Amino acid sequence: DAGITQSPRYKITETGRQVTLMCHQTWSHSYMFWYRQDLGHGLRLIYYSAAADITDKGEVPDGYVVSRSKTENFPLTLESATRSQTSVYFCASSPDGLRREKLFFGSGTQLSVL
Amino acid sequence: GQQLNQSPQSMFIQEGEDVSMNCTSSSIFNTWLWYKQDPGEGPVLLIALYKAGELTSNGRLTAQFGITRKDSFLNISASIPSDVGIYFCAGRGGATNKLIFGTGTLLAVQP
Repeated sequence: DAGITQSPRYKITETGRQVTLMCHQTWSHSYMFWYRQDLGHGLRLIYYSAAADITDKGEVPDGYVVSRSKTENFPLTLESATRSQTSVYFCASSPDGLRREKLFFGSGTQLSVL
Repeated sequence: GQQLNQSPQSMFIQEGEDVSMNCTSSSIFNTWLWYKQDPGEGPVLLIALYKAGELTSNGRLTAQFGITRKDSFLNISASIPSDVGIYFCAGRGGATNKLIFGTGTLLAVQP
């Protein structure tokens, strides 16, 4: 029972480089989300997707790009990484309907931008 | 934008003590949830609340949906070392009806 997996677990990159964080879920959940966790801010929503080929901006989308060509995958790309994007990134999924606020989170990707 | 104020920011307690934390919103919410994040892991759902006044338990944890619909409370009884972690409240409602998270309460338990 793999659930939801994120890769890599840790990533160090340099300012200006493109970085892609991967997220894969095996439950066929409709909804998928990307959050970033920063001290003093809790969890902030970057992007979410209600289904394949449907994505929408969250609270802090600037500097990020997402795609969802398949239901099970939801990669997050930083097109030109900046130091302010150093953070812990969490992918999450949830089923459709009344339970869609019950999010299942991955273990996170710790990203450092130097 | 909407904000959830979660307090306290951190708690350092002795094993066996009871713990209380709360979350308040400037808007009326129709759903409150409580998550726990273990060190190095993603948050895990503990309790979901859907009606004002609702009181729900999960083992030693009890959460309540405030009757004003602008707050929620989480209590942990007889804390143990594995209760260590960050507890997040989350709520849905207000103008956007989107799920937003509080800033978290860090709990440390001294054996």
